[in-house]
Amino acid sequence: NAGVTQTPKFQVLKTGQSMTLQCAQDMNHNSMYWYRQDPGMGLRLIYYSASEGTTDKGEVPNGYNVSRLNKREFSLRLESAAPSQTSVYFCASSDWDPDIQYFGAGTRLSVL
Amino acid sequence: GQQVMQIPQYQHVQEGEDFTTYCNSSTTLSNIQWYKQRPGGHPVFLIQLVKSGEVKKQKRLTFQFGEAKKNSSLHITATQTTDVGTYFCAGTRFQKLVFGTGTRLLVSP
Repeated sequence: NAGVTQTPKFQVLKTGQSMTLQCAQDMNHNSMYWYRQDPGMGLRLIYYSASEGTTDKGEVPNGYNVSRLNKREFSLRLESAAPSQTSVYFCASSDWDPDIQYFGAGTRLSVL
Repeated sequence: GQQVMQIPQYQHVQEGEDFTTYCNSSTTLSNIQWYKQRPGGHPVFLIQLVKSGEVKKQKRLTFQFGEAKKNSSLHITATQTTDVGTYFCAGTRFQKLVFGTGTRLLVSP
């Protein structure tokens, strides 16, 4: 039982490159979330999916897109990476929205 | 922006000293959760408080939810080096969970 799995763990991009962060959970949770964490800023919600088939913007959605591929998987895409998107990205899931959240190990992204 | 504020932002204590972090919201919360994030790690759920004035304990950790359900605190008695990390509160308001800004705790042996 792995919980929430994120890939990759680390990534370095050049400005303008695109990439997709992958997230999968094996807890049969309905809701999934993407956060970014910057020093002194806490956790800021980018996008979330309250249930399979739905996605909604969070606090800081600009520059990102998401796909709820199925109940297990929720991906985050950066179409044209910018240095301001250098951050640690966490995926989380919960039984319902809102509820106790379970986090993945994170992806550390640097955009040069 | 952030609607749930935590103070202090950072605290450095000697092992054995007590530590408290406070969480404040401008609006009433349905419940409050607390998470701990170890350095280099991810947030891990600690506890949830639901009732006005509720107090819960986990060993050396005491969690309180204010009477007006707008504030909460986490108190650690006799800190240990294993308590190092960032503590986040997260409050549910209008059916959305909002994370606080976090308090980073450093414990020196």
